[in-house]
Amino acid sequence: DAKTTQPTSMDCAEGRAANLPCNHSTISGNEYVYWYRQIHSQGPQYIIHGLKNNETNEMASLIITEDRKSSTLILPHATLRDTAVYYCIVRGEVYNYGQNFVFGPGTRLSVLP
Amino acid sequence: DSGVTQTPKHLITATGQRVTLRCSPRSGDLSVYWYQQSLDQGLQFLIQYYNGEERAKGNILERFSAQQFPDLHSELNLSSLELGDSALYFCASSVDPAANYGYTFGSGTRLTVV
Repeated sequence: DAKTTQPTSMDCAEGRAANLPCNHSTISGNEYVYWYRQIHSQGPQYIIHGLKNNETNEMASLIITEDRKSSTLILPHATLRDTAVYYCIVRGEVYNYGQNFVFGPGTRLSVLP
Repeated sequence: DSGVTQTPKHLITATGQRVTLRCSPRSGDLSVYWYQQSLDQGLQFLIQYYNGEERAKGNILERFSAQQFPDLHSELNLSSLELGDSALYFCASSVDPAANYGYTFGSGTRLTVV
């Protein structure tokens, strides 16, 4: 029961911005959008999450459309080290426990020299 | 270094055997999660513990079990191993049981069953 749709793969030139799209047309009002990435066979790494406002941290920016049906993760200046699989996950706010993160196939981003 | 420590990094064992994977969560984190990643299944949630108690269960096989000890480290026990159990096993931790600010993952244990 996939909640998100992402392209299978993308390429980006080193030094350019990488824009990774995610569709989540069935998102509910209390569901957040999370992004993780996994560099080859390493443990996944949390990047950022948001509800409806755009968010920015030292790693990336998250732009969520006004209708919240899609979002874009932006890596402003991609480097070769950003080559990884990027996972977009929709999950409700949990007040206690029991709702884990469900990882789909993600987008394989290749940053090219 | 994420702060989540998993041992061993690699494990090769024969079918039918039993192994134990160990995870030490990040300092201060009370919740531990186990995930399995195989080539054909992607990342699959197995089980969650919070402060020593089981809190959520995914598609964990009956041959697999886990526990979290008073010092908060966790062990995942895999028994009667089959070839299909070959995978990367990741542990993650979070300070709260809801992980509303995400997980911190360890670097994983690669299990090969021959």
